[in-house]
This record gives sequence, structure tokens and C-alpha cells, in this order.
Amino acid sequence: EAQVTQNPRYLITVTGKKLTVTCSQNMNHEYMSWYRQDPGLGLRQIYYSMNVEVTDKGDVPEGYKVSRKEKRNFPLILESPSPNQTSLYFCASSLQSPRGAFYNEQFFGPGTRLTVL
Amino acid sequence: QKEVEQNSGPLSVPEGAIASLNCTYSDRGSQSFFWYRQYSGKSPELIMSIYSNGDKEDGRFTAQLNKASQYVSLLIRDSQPSDSATYLCAAGGGSARQLTFGSGTQLTVLP
Repeated sequence: EAQVTQNPRYLITVTGKKLTVTCSQNMNHEYMSWYRQDPGLGLRQIYYSMNVEVTDKGDVPEGYKVSRKEKRNFPLILESPSPNQTSLYFCASSLQSPRGAFYNEQFFGPGTRLTVL
Repeated sequence: QKEVEQNSGPLSVPEGAIASLNCTYSDRGSQSFFWYRQYSGKSPELIMSIYSNGDKEDGRFTAQLNKASQYVSLLIRDSQPSDSATYLCAAGGGSARQLTFGSGTQLTVLP
């Protein structure tokens, strides 16, 4: 089954304790992205990756890190989480196209609900 | 900051009625437009994509795009209670060359 998986699905942690949220896709998509979703603010892009070893900042990258060492995986790292990073996080992937990855449907993972105390 | 604006709602319609959801975007260079449906606590799923001016129909759903007015809409005919969800509008391309989402419109279909 074609899918994007995220782990963990739920996480409660404390301020300053490093954590990693994993994302993996089995569709051989070049493009992967991380979003956070907060009430009233919609989906905001944190980081994206056009392909292996190619990453770039989205709209709200502060406090986050990413890496893309393999095509299928795109982990999100919070080095020192703070309460304002409490949110619902989605990983997404899509095919690239000559026009750009924005031209194609993005497939979303199930989400990770993070609470930072 | 490139923006996609949606009426936050909530929008309520009776079962069987037409639900009309609207979206405007600020980046005139946007090239792709999507409507995603999101049930509470779930991930967004694609309903419609549209790239050219005019209407695009898929079953009970019709997307409309007017690039001159920078306006996208989604019509849901014969609305069902199962259509109750938040609908996200997204515009892609333009100067940002990324996908920008609106904050969503919450739709409730009343039985």
C-alpha cells in the first residue's frame, strides 16, 4: 500500500529534551515536506526537501532541523523543544515534475501530535 | 508573505443542499490549486486539483478557478453528513514555488 508513515503518533515531552519524529514514504517521491498545524493558522511549512541531500527552509523553520540521507526518509528533529512547538505535525510527499513539486498532489502522513510541557 | 484566504466558517448546510466553499490567493503567479478535506484529528486528503480557468467536475464535487479574480471555489452537490469536515484550499507555484494552504473552512452538513 502506498503510504506515508510517521512515528510516533503521539508524544508528550518536556522542554529541552531532544526528540526526532520520523517520516517514511514508499512511493519513491522526490519531494518531502514537514508542516505544523495549529488552530486558526492552517498548515504551515517547516522544511522541505526536493531530493536526497537537498533541503530548504519553509515558512516556520526556527527550532527545527531536518535531514534527507535517503530518498524514503525525512526525519524532523527538535534539538531543544519549547512549549510553543506544541502542535500537530504532518509529513507529506509528492512527485517532482518539470513545473515543480507544487504541481502535484501531496500525500500526507497520519500526523504526530506533540505536546511540550 | 504569499497568502491563501478562506472563510473560516463554520458553514452549515442541510443534507442534500449545495455547499459552496471559497478561497482567494494573493500570488498572481500561482499555477496549481487544490482542495483537501480533513476530518477532525486526521490528515488532509485530496478532493480536487485544478490548473486552468473554468470548472472541473468529479462526481458531486466541482472546482472553479478564476485566475483574473484570483479566486477558487469548491461546490459540493447533494451534501451528505459524511462531508462534514474542514476543507483546505491550497495554491502552488508563483514566486514561492511552494504550496501555500489556507486556514480552512469548517463545513457541517445537518441531517
